[in-house]
Amino acid sequence: QSRLSQPRSASGTPGQRVTISCSGSTSNIGSNTVNWYQQFPGTAPRLLIHSDNQRPSGVPDRFSASKSGTSASLAISGLQSEDEADYYCATWDDSLDVYWAFGGGTKLTVL
Amino acid sequence: QITLKESGPTLAQPTETLTLTCSFSGFSLNTPGVGVGWIRQPPGKALEWLALIYWNDDRRYNSALRSRLTITKDASRNQFFLSMTNVDPVDTATYYCVHMGLRRWDYWGQGTLVTVSS
Repeated sequence: QSRLSQPRSASGTPGQRVTISCSGSTSNIGSNTVNWYQQFPGTAPRLLIHSDNQRPSGVPDRFSASKSGTSASLAISGLQSEDEADYYCATWDDSLDVYWAFGGGTKLTVL
Repeated sequence: QITLKESGPTLAQPTETLTLTCSFSGFSLNTPGVGVGWIRQPPGKALEWLALIYWNDDRRYNSALRSRLTITKDASRNQFFLSMTNVDPVDTATYYCVHMGLRRWDYWGQGTLVTVSS
């Protein structure tokens, strides 16, 4: 069972804005920065957002993220068909037995 | 440019010890602050962090698997390794080797699917 909770699925139509939530605790999201990953079927995850809200070079500014307390969220505006993928949140966990935590992943469907 | 690539068996027998190798370029494991690790993903399931090792040989493990995992490195050959003992069919997964930037897994290998079956 993942220490970070994400909805299993999300959906939207082209052009819409979609958000994906990630809920954690004081030992992970509440204490450390959050990263988001995008994964297409059969490929390795790609770093989409780091340090709560920073986009690596090459990531469109349609992708944004925020964090408040022990929750974080990823927003995709101007949804496009090519955004259909799995999205994972991840963060360091200060619990002695965990270190790194991933969310269970959210499958985004573009209708 | 940082690249990583996993290698190892695609099929393992239950109870065997699995050893995976990651060969990388674009950085050095002798550089202070550098960390690398392993993350796996069972078919159709979520990502699971397994282990990480730093340039100074400091190591961290997923506590649920700690007794079965060993991560090591050979900085001179630009490689690091993961050993997993007593594998079981539930260990069937794609195994990724990854580079850790500042509190983020920023570069990933392409992954290698390991199937555990008799």
